[in-house]
This record gives sequence, C-alpha cells and structure tokens, in this order.
Amino acid sequence: LAKTTQPISMDSYEGQEVNITCSHNNIATNDYITWYQQFPSQGPRFIIQGYKTKVTNEVASLFIPADRKSSTLSLPRVSLSDTAVYYCLVAPRGGGSYIPTFGRGTSLIVHP
Amino acid sequence: DVKVTQSSRYLVKRTGEKVFLECVQDMDHENMFWYRQDPGLGLRLIYFSYDVKMKEKGDIPEGYSVSREKKERFSLILESASTNQTSMYLCASTDEGGVFRNTEAFFGQGTRLTVV
Repeated sequence: LAKTTQPISMDSYEGQEVNITCSHNNIATNDYITWYQQFPSQGPRFIIQGYKTKVTNEVASLFIPADRKSSTLSLPRVSLSDTAVYYCLVAPRGGGSYIPTFGRGTSLIVHP
Repeated sequence: DVKVTQSSRYLVKRTGEKVFLECVQDMDHENMFWYRQDPGLGLRLIYFSYDVKMKEKGDIPEGYSVSREKKERFSLILESASTNQTSMYLCASTDEGGVFRNTEAFFGQGTRLTVV
C-alpha cells in the first residue's frame, strides 16, 4: 500500500478556506484517494474519495493533480464545527482484502 | 442508515479482568476490524476478519484475541486486562466489494476503556 504523509496539525479561523495536502508518492494505478474526518470521541467517517482531477460534494472538494502523487482536501469557509482530525488514505477500488490504514492524520483547529 | 454499533461507550474494568468488547454491523459486510486509538499515535490495527470464523493479526495483537461466530458480529477480548490497555477502541467494517464498489470503512462510535 502507498504510504501517505500529511501535516500533523493546522490552525484556521472561521470563514476561511482550509487546504490540507497529502503526499502519496507510491500510489498504484488502481488506487483511490480517500479522506476521513474524526471528531473527538467518535469514530472516523468517510467524507470524500477521488481518482483524478477534482471531486466535490457537500462537505469538501478534493483536488488531485495529473501525476496523482499528492492530493489536497479543501474545506470552504470553515466553522468551529470543522475542528477535527482529517485522515488521508490510499485504497484500491473493490475492497477485497484491503485493510484501512490510518496514520496520525491532520488535526485541524478552527478558531473563532 | 448503515450502522456499526459498539456495545458500550464507556467501560471501567479492573486489572486482570477478562473484558469483552462487542461490535455489530447491519450492512452484511464481509470485513471487520478492531483498532485502538491513543493520543498522538493515530489508529492502530489490533485484529481483523475477512469472514466468519476467520481472524488475522494486525499490528498490535498482543494481549488481545477476537471472535467472529456470525458475519455481523466481531468481538474483541482482553484476556487479562492491564492498565496499558486503557484506550479508545474502534470497530469498523468494509464491503468486500467488486471492481466498482467503494472501499469506504464504516466505524462504530468507539468504546473508551479504562483499566484500573
């Protein structure tokens, strides 16, 4: 599995856009990039997944350059409730024997 | 709404006790996982299971065992609880899927275990 690297922590203020970048230099052809969000005292929850270019949903946008060696999770106009840990994972499409492997993630703190 | 349910949110147990943490999923998922989470260490995989009665060791299986007698239920067992097993325990499940199926992991709400 491709290893991922992301910043340990980030700080932001309400209303700002936050971009969290993840590097995955050894990503395989059939791998997808997946991001999870974890609030304190809860389990992680899936927020977005993409393969290339840009994916957007009601929570976030995911930007993936052509070489796919990195990706950027973008949270528009963050609020205090976006304070959480964000995990970047690389996962093959299709499940099978895939084991979700979580690193330390990026702890985002949003200030008033 | 899909769900992974862990039997307890909080547990306090004494050193040496045998502890059972239960996890049930209602999505007919083949794969189930137990993680523990400690400050600064992220999620670490303890055990996982691809099918009923099958189990595989994760990164930190020492001091733990698991049981999967039914597809929907995956139990984590602490044979003799110790204080260094005080932690947040998270259960997750994924679909075995096919080529176009999502490998999203669904998590329970976590069990915060304190061993005194």
